[in-house]
Amino acid sequence: GAVVSQHPSWVICKSGTSVKIECRSLDFQATTMFWYRQFPKQSLMLMATSNEGSKATYEQGVEKDKFLINHASLTLSTLTVTSAHPEDSSFYICSARDLAGEWEQYFGPGTRLTVT
Amino acid sequence: GQQVMQIPQYQHVQEGEDFTTYCNSSTTLSNIQWYKQRPGGHPVFLIQLVKSGEVKKQKRLTFQFGEAKKNSSLHITATQTTDVGTYFCAGRLGAQKLVFGQGTRLTINP
Repeated sequence: GAVVSQHPSWVICKSGTSVKIECRSLDFQATTMFWYRQFPKQSLMLMATSNEGSKATYEQGVEKDKFLINHASLTLSTLTVTSAHPEDSSFYICSARDLAGEWEQYFGPGTRLTVT
Repeated sequence: GQQVMQIPQYQHVQEGEDFTTYCNSSTTLSNIQWYKQRPGGHPVFLIQLVKSGEVKKQKRLTFQFGEAKKNSSLHITATQTTDVGTYFCAGRLGAQKLVFGQGTRLTINP
């Protein structure tokens, strides 16, 4: 089956620093990747839709200058949390749609971000 | 705004009992998907329903999509401890965007 990887799996950073999270589709091409945030015991909240070669589409209330998304290739999207604050601590999950597949999204294992 | 509501939030059952979670949308959906997330894990795709009134089965799991394409349900017959986790519905609005329900956390007493 389709595999999506994320790196790092967890990261601890100091307030004010930036953190980059990578999302890769390992065995398929993905023109579209999605970035979600999940707080403990809560649902997944879509942050942005990332399209290869174009600007990401951000959901209402998500600061595009704070959460920088780059989708430079059909297999890689990155999310950079800039000037992180403790309230940005969360579980960030990416997903990807297979270019040749149906509608299902394949989720990465997630990245646990803790900002101290 | 566009919402997908899911109930119940929590469900605790004895092993062998049945379990059902319900999903309702304020707007008509293009399709609906169901995911399972084990504790500490990431969501794993279970199934997609597209047609009005569609019913699909996967072993002990039965998925239904309402006639108006605004509601859906997941029913598990004779739960097993391996069924533990949080079940999310996700409604597709338009071409790409998925809106997730709040999820139903299922715990099972062996």
